[in-house]
Amino acid sequence: QVRLQESGPGLVKPSETLSLTCAVSGGSLSSSNWWSWVRQSPGKGLEWIGEIYHSGTTSYNPSLKSRVTISLDMSSNQFSLKLSSVTAADTAVYFCARPRSGSYQYDYWGQGMLVTVSS
Amino acid sequence: DIQMTQSPSSLSASVGDRVTITCQASQDISTFVNWYQQKPGKAPKFLIYDATHLDAGVPSRFSGSGSGTDFTLTISSLQPEDIATYYCQQYDNVPPTFGPGTKVEIK
Repeated sequence: QVRLQESGPGLVKPSETLSLTCAVSGGSLSSSNWWSWVRQSPGKGLEWIGEIYHSGTTSYNPSLKSRVTISLDMSSNQFSLKLSSVTAADTAVYFCARPRSGSYQYDYWGQGMLVTVSS
Repeated sequence: DIQMTQSPSSLSASVGDRVTITCQASQDISTFVNWYQQKPGKAPKFLIYDATHLDAGVPSRFSGSGSGTDFTLTISSLQPEDIATYYCQQYDNVPPTFGPGTKVEIK
């Protein structure tokens, strides 16, 4: 049973970089899977941020691509999200998620982490 | 991006009622639709994939139908534990996109 757990600061100042980590247990990042980030805000609902394959290949939402970096830390079995130049519009609950292999069917989710952008 | 719309945005029904939620895509997406259930403070729970297939362990009162641009999630007999917000999601194109949700309440 794969388990995902988000962690990181819950408050980020405008123009700074949001950084979150997703710890994976019950499964290995080196397995043939994509590992994803999704966020949920009252204004925009559920929004797919991007994903990373075990090889390090990434795919990002074009609307966020210029500000997003997703990376892997195989030694710690975790993956990370960085979102730069944040504004209040980036305030959201951030989820890490794992889809079924070869699909965008998200059957494993972290519990979510609220990140507020405010000075 | 493919836009997903849902109707109604909310509904109130009695226990035992048949509940139907519709989802419409802005272009033909074949059957590349998932449905999720989300309860307050929780992550979405995967219910249905490929428009019609129930995930393992999902009660049989849930069903999905549709293809092309129009999709439906049906709860055949609403139960108190079904109170939640339901989202459709397309994965025909990247980025995958979600509908705005339908909140289901008990009357």
